[in-house]
Amino acid sequence: DIQMTQSPSSLSAFVGDRVTITCRASQSIGTFLNWYQEKPGKAPNLLIYASSGLQSGVPSRFSGSGYGTDFTLTISSLQPEDFAIYYCQQSYSTPITFGQGTRLDIK
Amino acid sequence: EVQLLESGGGFVQPGGSLRLSCAASRFTFSSSAMSWVRQAPRKGLEWVSGISGSGGDTYYADSVKGRFTISRDNSKNTLYLEMNSLRAEDTAIYYCAKDRWKSTIRDFDSWGQGTLVTVSS
Repeated sequence: DIQMTQSPSSLSAFVGDRVTITCRASQSIGTFLNWYQEKPGKAPNLLIYASSGLQSGVPSRFSGSGYGTDFTLTISSLQPEDFAIYYCQQSYSTPITFGQGTRLDIK
Repeated sequence: EVQLLESGGGFVQPGGSLRLSCAASRFTFSSSAMSWVRQAPRKGLEWVSGISGSGGDTYYADSVKGRFTISRDNSKNTLYLEMNSLRAEDTAIYYCAKDRWKSTIRDFDSWGQGTLVTVSS
C-alpha cells in the first residue's frame, strides 16, 4: 500500500498569511494526488485534483503542485473560513490512501 | 446539486452485521464510480471500498476485505455496503462519496452527510 505522510500535523497562522502544507508519498504516484478540506461536523470537500487542478467552486487562493512523491497545497492569503483540517489522498492505485491530516488553526 | 443520502447506520455488537445504503440523486448515477470512506472518532479519513459505474469492478481496503461487500443498483440510484463480522475498530462515520470518474477510483467530488456505525458490546 502507498503511505501518505503530511507535514506539519498542525499549523497556526494569521488571517492573510501564506500557508503551505506538504504531502509525501511512499512511492512515485505521478500527479495522482488530491487535496480535501474538512470542517467540523461536515463532510470533506475536494479542493485540488490531479496535483494542481482546481475543483469547480474552490477559491483561487488555493493551489496545488508536485509530481512523483512530493506535493504541496498552498493557500495564498488565509481567510477565516480556511481554518480546517486538510487531507491529501493518492489515487494512483488501490487501496486509496489518505494522509493523516493537517489541522490549520487561527493564531 | 448532487445529493447523497446515507442510511442504515446504528449500534451493533461485535460479530454483527449492518447494511448501509446511499441514495443518490441529481446526477447520472451509472456514470460515476462510488466509494465508501469512513472516519473513526477523532481520527482521519480511511477509504473503505469502491465500485465502478457499471458495478463490474470492486475494490476494498485490506482492513475490510472478506468482511464487507460493496454493490450498487443503478436502476435505483443506490449504493450499498454490506458489513459482516463487525469489530470495534469499524466504529466510524461512514460517508458515501461520488467519484469524478466512471470506471476507476480517483477523486471524490461529492460526499454525503455520513451515517454513524457503532460496534460495541
